[in-house]
Amino acid sequence: DAGITQSPRYKITETGRQVTLMCHQTWSHSYMFWYRQDLGHGLRLIYYSAAADITDKGEVPDGYVVSRSKTENFPLTLESATRSQTSVYFCASSELGLDTQYFGPGTRLTVL
Amino acid sequence: SQKIEQNSEALNIQEGKTATLTCNYTNYSPAYLQWYRQDPGRGPVFLLLIRENEKEKRKERLKVTFDTTLKQSLFHITASQPADSATYLCALDAPQGGKLIFGQGTELSVKP
Repeated sequence: DAGITQSPRYKITETGRQVTLMCHQTWSHSYMFWYRQDLGHGLRLIYYSAAADITDKGEVPDGYVVSRSKTENFPLTLESATRSQTSVYFCASSELGLDTQYFGPGTRLTVL
Repeated sequence: SQKIEQNSEALNIQEGKTATLTCNYTNYSPAYLQWYRQDPGRGPVFLLLIRENEKEKRKERLKVTFDTTLKQSLFHITASQPADSATYLCALDAPQGGKLIFGQGTELSVKP
């Protein structure tokens, strides 16, 4: 199916564990983004990528790692999960960096 | 640093009335501004984009204005319907380029 997908949709993990959230888009968009959304903070950019093998930090990158070996995939890894990383994570893509962004359905992550 | 403010309180209106949502920004001059709609448990969906040289833009029952002097955008939904109930986010292009900055969103509730 065309579009942008995220997996898993829900994840519960424990403090200190490594977690990887997956994002896949079928449009061949150049840009991809990871956001977290928390009550009182709205959408905050974690990392973004302008093309394969090009990534850059957003507003809240600490504790997260990204990679982009293929245009269509942009995984987000929490190297050692903390309770403060409990959030809803959204992946998005756009043809150009400042263009319309298309969002995935989100991953609700709970860190116990 | 740049700051975006949207009405933090939920907006409750009666069906058939016009809903007006506000987005104010400070400390820089964006090239354009976007509005998104987000339903509970879903990712944001793009609605409209307005450029700095455009005063107004319309799409069906939606109208967006962009006042670069006041540093404000207004988002109007005319003849509102209960199905318009959602959270509406405004987003501006970041001065660093390549990414958007989102406001916290305003929750709109349209009562029948």
